[in-house]
Amino acid sequence: AQTVTQSQPEMSVQEAETVTLSCTYDTSESDYYLFWYKQPPSRQMILVIRQEAYKQQNATENRFSVNFQKAAKSFSLKISDSQLGDAAMYFCAYRTQGGKLIFGQGTELSVKP
Amino acid sequence: DGGITQSPKYLFRKEGQNVTLSCEQNLNHDAMYWYRQDPGQGLRLIYYSQIVNDFQKGDIAEGYSVSREKKESFPLTVTSAQKNPTAFYLCASSWALYNEQFFGPGTRLTVL
Repeated sequence: AQTVTQSQPEMSVQEAETVTLSCTYDTSESDYYLFWYKQPPSRQMILVIRQEAYKQQNATENRFSVNFQKAAKSFSLKISDSQLGDAAMYFCAYRTQGGKLIFGQGTELSVKP
Repeated sequence: DGGITQSPKYLFRKEGQNVTLSCEQNLNHDAMYWYRQDPGQGLRLIYYSQIVNDFQKGDIAEGYSVSREKKESFPLTVTSAQKNPTAFYLCASSWALYNEQFFGPGTRLTVL
């Protein structure tokens, strides 16, 4: 069975600085998708970025980018120029070939002004 | 506006009572999902439905039931058999199982 692990329950970053959130996963599937979701205090889940496993190029969305290491089964999220609005819980998720999403435990990010 | 609605936002029930959480979408999505979120844990899949009149158990289906009689609606019933029902419940939908899931605002259920 697939598992997703986020080893950092909490992280903190200074406004305008860069922070990296870690995620590792375990799977025997060769083709899959990985996601980072943001859950602000409103608790609405928002998709931040997605990565297709067959693509070697790391995905980027404005200030958000990933470091995808398929062999190491690692999928970290880098947030550049952190803003106060980035403060939230961040979840790493794996989508199985059957279409199911498996989530990590989450990392709570705080941004200091 | 297109989206997913869940009602109510907060729900309180006495222990031993069944309770039904509402989830409605007007995105014309075929697939719908129910997740449970507990403190310090990620979302866990309870049930999902690929199409009307069809649904499958997720990872933690015990003590829950669903129906999918209409494309836009996927209600979740938390039965008295669910041992620890107090949690935050999120509904999601997607065009199909392999497409991006969009989430509703969630319902916080507290069983007293």
